[in-house]
Amino acid sequence: AQSVTQLDSHVSVSEGTPVLLRCNYSSSYSPSLFWYVQHPNKGLQLLLKYTSAATLVKGINGFEAEFKKSETSFHLTKPSAHMSDAAEYFCVVSVDTGRRALTFGSGTRLQVQP
Amino acid sequence: EAQVTQNPRYLITVTGKKLTVTCSQNMNHEYMSWYRQDPGLGLRQIYYSMNVEVTDKGDVPEGYKVSRKEKRNFPLILESPSPNQTSLYFCASSLGRGGSQPQHFGDGTRLSIL
Repeated sequence: AQSVTQLDSHVSVSEGTPVLLRCNYSSSYSPSLFWYVQHPNKGLQLLLKYTSAATLVKGINGFEAEFKKSETSFHLTKPSAHMSDAAEYFCVVSVDTGRRALTFGSGTRLQVQP
Repeated sequence: EAQVTQNPRYLITVTGKKLTVTCSQNMNHEYMSWYRQDPGLGLRQIYYSMNVEVTDKGDVPEGYKVSRKEKRNFPLILESPSPNQTSLYFCASSLGRGGSQPQHFGDGTRLSIL
């Protein structure tokens, strides 16, 4: 079984400052890890994915995440927040079984203040 | 444009009145899935399909049915909706069989059951 814990339900930053959204996971198998973003009234958009290649993963819109197996973490970062980054972010784990279900964290709402 | 299309986007209905939410993808994906999103719970899988005529239960299948007669379509059926099925629903699809394949999401269907 796998699980995902997003450590902050809300994060507020000022425009131009760094963003850190924290995610811890547990999995009995080698996981694939994803970050998705959800803007209001929209579906989920893939930001980036980790699938056992490089541990530092670069995604779209300047986001990146680092897979740390020893800490079972997959934190999402961005050097400089933009107003358009305000959204809800989901950390997701997937394992290679028949169901291929995604296990979602409960989400982190990012606010960006002007 | 590659996309997953859900209809309707919004629906308010009453308890017991059968409804169908349609989902169609134009990417020739084998795998399709339905999720519901509830506050604080992230997304939970309802049903999934590995290919045409192959469907199976996810984490929360009670009260739902699905069918997969064609590769591109995966409708979600609520035979006798109840208020606890009020939620935001997402259809998703992905290529291939591995857990490392990212899933592509529709824009969601918001159902209110009175």
